[in-house]
Amino acid sequence: AQKVTQAQTEISVVEKEDVTLDCVYETRDTTYYLFWYKQPPSGELVFLIRRNSFDEQNEISGRYSWNFQKSTSSFNFTITASQVVDSAVYFCALSEAYDNAGNMLTFGGGTRLMVKP
Amino acid sequence: EPEVTQTPSHQVTQMGQEVILRCVPISNHLYFYWYRQILGQKVEFLVSFYNNEISEKSEIFDDQFSVERPDGSNFTLKIRSTKLEDSAMYFCAAGGDRREPTYEQYFGPGTRLTVT
Repeated sequence: AQKVTQAQTEISVVEKEDVTLDCVYETRDTTYYLFWYKQPPSGELVFLIRRNSFDEQNEISGRYSWNFQKSTSSFNFTITASQVVDSAVYFCALSEAYDNAGNMLTFGGGTRLMVKP
Repeated sequence: EPEVTQTPSHQVTQMGQEVILRCVPISNHLYFYWYRQILGQKVEFLVSFYNNEISEKSEIFDDQFSVERPDGSNFTLKIRSTKLEDSAMYFCAAGGDRREPTYEQYFGPGTRLTVT
């Protein structure tokens, strides 16, 4: 069975600080996909990134970066120079991919990030 | 980003009543999903739907729940006899584009269901 753990339930930082959100996953499959979603106070789920299990290259998108390490089953998310608008709950999720695209996402418990001005 | 819409945004119902939550997914997508999120908790998978039938469902998705896509566009979740513990945000999602395989699931804005 697949499982995603986000050990940090809540993080508080001051604007412009860097912050890393941790995600550890468990799966028996060799092919899987990892995701990050952002849930702002308005409640919607905003897709941030998807990585497949064969691609361990780190990715950077503006102030966001992701570090995927298969050896430790981790897919951590770093926000550089945080801003108040980054305040949200962030969810890490896993999908075991045995067919084209139709697999359920297993979510972690989420990390609430509060960025104070 | 592709858009999935859901109606209503908020539904209040009495215990024991039937509710139908509606979703209009992206037309090119092949897979449709329902997830729920009890307030303050994580997002949980309910069911996936492909080729007009359920492809996968969780333990939460018991006989009280059903899904259908009656007209090829709307994707509905029906709860036959609501319980207090059904109060949650229900998210619809769509994925798997006909033109390009993708593993992204695009979520709708959610329907907040309150059972009193």
